[in-house]
Amino acid sequence: DAMVIQNPRYQVTQFGKPVTLSCSQTLNHNVMYWYQQKSSQAPKLLFHYYDKDFNNEADTPDNFQSRRPNTSFCFLDIRSPGLGDAAMYLCATSRDLGASETQYFGPGTRLLVL
Amino acid sequence: KQEVTQIPAALSVPEGENLVLNCSFTDSAIYNLQWFRQDPGKGLTSLLLIQSSQREQTSGRLNASLDKSSGRSTLYIAASQPGDSATYLCAVIGAQKLVFGQGTRLTINP
Repeated sequence: DAMVIQNPRYQVTQFGKPVTLSCSQTLNHNVMYWYQQKSSQAPKLLFHYYDKDFNNEADTPDNFQSRRPNTSFCFLDIRSPGLGDAAMYLCATSRDLGASETQYFGPGTRLLVL
Repeated sequence: KQEVTQIPAALSVPEGENLVLNCSFTDSAIYNLQWFRQDPGKGLTSLLLIQSSQREQTSGRLNASLDKSSGRSTLYIAASQPGDSATYLCAVIGAQKLVFGQGTRLTINP
């Protein structure tokens, strides 16, 4: 039973061509996160939503934006992908904010920029 | 700024061995620590979560310990199996944010 679903699993885009990655959840969790993980590196938090409240990390490039139209769905928009944006993008959810809250991760979307 | 380090970056051991993966963090003001498993090209699966007030957690053949004062955690895997081959990441939670290490890539040889 998939709980955090990411589509597509693999995405190829062209340099500078906008791309959108999708995440959905069946857990009814309040918080949704987007992480970027480059090859052999640690996942890096880009931003999160607590309900409809958007929280951007200070070092997240302006090229990355997000939308959360409802509780279940969250999108990552890359306005003008560069070669350096090729990475695995991980979506995660948690029931609430707080240190004791477990984050549940989706399978990830691997983005390739040509 | 919290930094999390995992050493070694890669480890290869024969099947059946017991092994220990190490994680260290620079700021001891954490709320909890979590160990994840990541298979190649896949997302993260949570293995164990240790609250800051706890010293260890166990799940099956896995045992994770936490020493906040020294900024260290270990993940002990007993009787390793080829199916344990994966990358293991630790992450600490401070101000509502997970900070990950780069992971240890573990290979169990049959």
